[in-house]
Amino acid sequence: DAGVIQSPRHEVTEMGQEVTLRCKPISGHNSLFWYRQTMMRGLELLIYFNNNVPIDDSGMPEDRFSAKMPNASFSTLKIQPSEPRDSAVYFCASTNRELWDTQYFGPGTRLTVL
Amino acid sequence: AQSVTQPDIHITVSEGASLELRCNYSYGATPYLFWYVQSPGQGLQLLLKYFSGDTLVQGIKGFEAEFKRSQSSFNLRKPSVHWSDAAEYFCAVGARLNNDMRFGAGTRLTVKP
Repeated sequence: DAGVIQSPRHEVTEMGQEVTLRCKPISGHNSLFWYRQTMMRGLELLIYFNNNVPIDDSGMPEDRFSAKMPNASFSTLKIQPSEPRDSAVYFCASTNRELWDTQYFGPGTRLTVL
Repeated sequence: AQSVTQPDIHITVSEGASLELRCNYSYGATPYLFWYVQSPGQGLQLLLKYFSGDTLVQGIKGFEAEFKRSQSSFNLRKPSVHWSDAAEYFCAVGARLNNDMRFGAGTRLTVKP
């Protein structure tokens, strides 16, 4: 079975540009998570969805960040406008269990904002 | 809320040597404990988890971890390290009551030939 799929794997953009990260969870999983990983702050949960509904977005750093899950097989994380401090690796994870149980991670998108 | 501490940022061991990675947690109720491994350029992969029962848990790739409630610890061990074990290792605590999951800062493992 395919794991969690993320695209693009690498993204380089300039400050002020819009960035869209994409995620396809494992088929049959009903929860999806977006994480951000940086050296300074480690792995941070940004938002998670259950059955396509956002449950907790308290980790979203500011209004420039938004996430959607229009259906069970696709989610996007958008940053508009992007800033250099948004540079990080963004992971998507999914599970068919609860948030506090095993999560299955995608390979990540490395975002560089110049 | 629960918290996780991995005291060692970076550990270097020789190939064939034993390994122990430390993890301490803070949580008022029964924790659900996990170890994940992140190879370079990859996402996190579950090594093992502890929910209840036997406090010594076996995982993939020859890893094991022991839950010690009295010490609030869940240390990861491997008797003989292989070069392919070089990676970053994350401890995590799941809190059922809070519906929350927290990851430690990670320990980077370097394996010397």
